[in-house]
This record gives sequence, C-alpha cells and structure tokens, in this order.
Amino acid sequence: AAGVIQSPRHLIKEKRETATLKCYPIPRHDTVYWYQQGPGQDPQFLISFYEKMQSDKGSIPDRFSAQQFSDYHSELNMSSLELGDSALYFCASSLGTSFSYNEQFFGPGTRLTVL
Amino acid sequence: AQKITQTQPGMFVQEKEAVTLDCTYDTSDPSYGLFWYKQPSSGEMIFLIYQGSYDQQNATEGRYSLNFQKARKSANLVISASQLGDSAMYFCAMRVVSGGGADGLTFGKGTHLIIQP
Repeated sequence: AAGVIQSPRHLIKEKRETATLKCYPIPRHDTVYWYQQGPGQDPQFLISFYEKMQSDKGSIPDRFSAQQFSDYHSELNMSSLELGDSALYFCASSLGTSFSYNEQFFGPGTRLTVL
Repeated sequence: AQKITQTQPGMFVQEKEAVTLDCTYDTSDPSYGLFWYKQPSSGEMIFLIYQGSYDQQNATEGRYSLNFQKARKSANLVISASQLGDSAMYFCAMRVVSGGGADGLTFGKGTHLIIQP
C-alpha cells in the first residue's frame, strides 16, 4: 500500500540558510500535518492543512511557513535556520478531519541537521 | 489545552513477559481520541492502537490492548508476550475532535522499552 512520502530524507544546512521539506500524502488523503521531533524529545505539532487551507496551528516558529498545494502535497519552508532547528520532521496524512477517529499515517521523516 | 503524561522514562522487561506502559491524560473536551505509537531506533512512527472517548470497550489489536479507564483518565498500553522486536520508544498521544479542524496530536514524553532475552 502507498505510504506518505517525504523528501529529502536527510538534509544538512548551515545556520541562517533556508530549507524546504516536501510531503506527499497517501493518495486521496486530504489532510496533512507537520511535526518536529528534537533529539530525545517527543514530536511537537507544527501545523496542519485540510483541503489546501490551514486548519490548525501549533508551535510553529514565525520563521517557518507551510502550504498545501492543489495536488494535496505540502511543503514546509524554513528560513534563517538555527542550530535548534536540527530535528526529525514528520509529515502525516489522514482522510478528513471530522468528529470521528481518523488515523494519522506518518511518513518516514526528514532529518534536518543545521551546522 | 491537552496534556499527556508518561511516567516511565525507561523499562526493562524479560522476553515473553507482558508489559504495561502507563499513560494519563488531561483534557476538558468530552470528545477525544487516544493513540499509541511505536518508534524504533530507525525513527519511523508506527501506529499501534486507538481508543475513542466514547468507546465502551477497550481496544485490542493483536498483542496490543489498551486499558482505558475514563474516570481515572488513563489509557495504558498492554503488550502481551513481549518479543525482542518490541524494543523501541513508545508514545501515547491524544487528539481532541471538538474543534472540527485538523487538530494535531499531543504526545507524551515517551517510554523507552527494552526487551531482554
């Protein structure tokens, strides 16, 4: 079965550079979530999109922005990178957002290292 | 705001024994879902089991069961007959569904489970 695809899988950047992470949800999934997991930490919710509109916002820094495109893929743009941005970034997708259980399927993650 | 508490940072268990991973939660919303994820050292997040706040019965998925005690706000994961491959970090997570939007999951700090032969 198709899974969530994230690219790149690994990324190394210098401080103050920019980075773009991409997420391709499971086919027919209309909702995308982004999470950040620092070393030895639990995942922290950043932002989500439903039908190409921002739906919920978590602890996303102002230096980060994201969007969901017409084909439902999503991109997380990170500017003025700091050492503390080094983390594993997960994208998850689901079908719908409604008042019922909808499992979030996680991608393999993008490991970002800021030097 | 929601909060998940996992009080066991690490656990050592003998192979084939059953293990219970603790999770307590706090929310004022009546409608919510509780999830358990497994994260091996390779890093991927693997969904294990789900319990809805209105579910009358405890969820089960193969060797995994969720001991849901709503009045005590606990949602412990029970793994029966543990295997070496169960060694991983386990996260309890919650999602509130009252907002109608794509609410993100709130995770606990996790429990690092090590199965010993």
